[in-house]
Amino acid sequence: GAGVSQTPSNKVTEKGKYVELRCDPISGHTALYWYRQSLGQGPEFLIYFQGTGAADDSGLPNDRFFAVRPEGSVSTLKIQRTERGDSAVYLCASSLEGDAEAFFGQGTRLTVV
Amino acid sequence: SQQGEEDPQALSIQEGENATMNCSYKTSINNLQWYRQNSGRGLVHLILIRSNEREKHSGRLRVTLDTSKKSSSLLITASRAADTASYFCATDHKIIFGKGTRLHILP
Repeated sequence: GAGVSQTPSNKVTEKGKYVELRCDPISGHTALYWYRQSLGQGPEFLIYFQGTGAADDSGLPNDRFFAVRPEGSVSTLKIQRTERGDSAVYLCASSLEGDAEAFFGQGTRLTVV
Repeated sequence: SQQGEEDPQALSIQEGENATMNCSYKTSINNLQWYRQNSGRGLVHLILIRSNEREKHSGRLRVTLDTSKKSSSLLITASRAADTASYFCATDHKIIFGKGTRLHILP
């Protein structure tokens, strides 16, 4: 596609539920990143994929968060047993390689009620 | 922890003036990038400077990098209302951002 696509754009879920957020990177981009951003803060790094493998998952806050990229393209961020503190905009970005400019999607606004 | 820290946290200037913001980082880097985020969600890449470069220009943007001081500056010349946004620096493949500088251009 022309840019990084994230779906859904908005997600409201109840506390304790499971959610999946999807990211379609730019075709051919090997690097993919997930961030979350709370109001008034900068993006907080979650995880970085190089191809299919998670090259760095040090930003995942706890074991309720998990991300996959099975075919080296689309990625899914999975959050189990959601908590109100998980409410944020989740951003995905991709780059041609790990050491290049990144292109961001518009994000998924997750609200846990 | 965040790798980059921008300074100042907020900046208001008159349209037409130049705006300068700074970024400091903590560890060795391969490159440093600057991004802009408007009130919406999307972040837009502005410029990338590699560790072996000291200065780079792109249109009204000028970026400097001092690896000995682990710092970078972004200069926006002849500011416009459309430059009102938050600006973030980021380092290397993890693209770890600081809290950003909120720039407000006054008409």
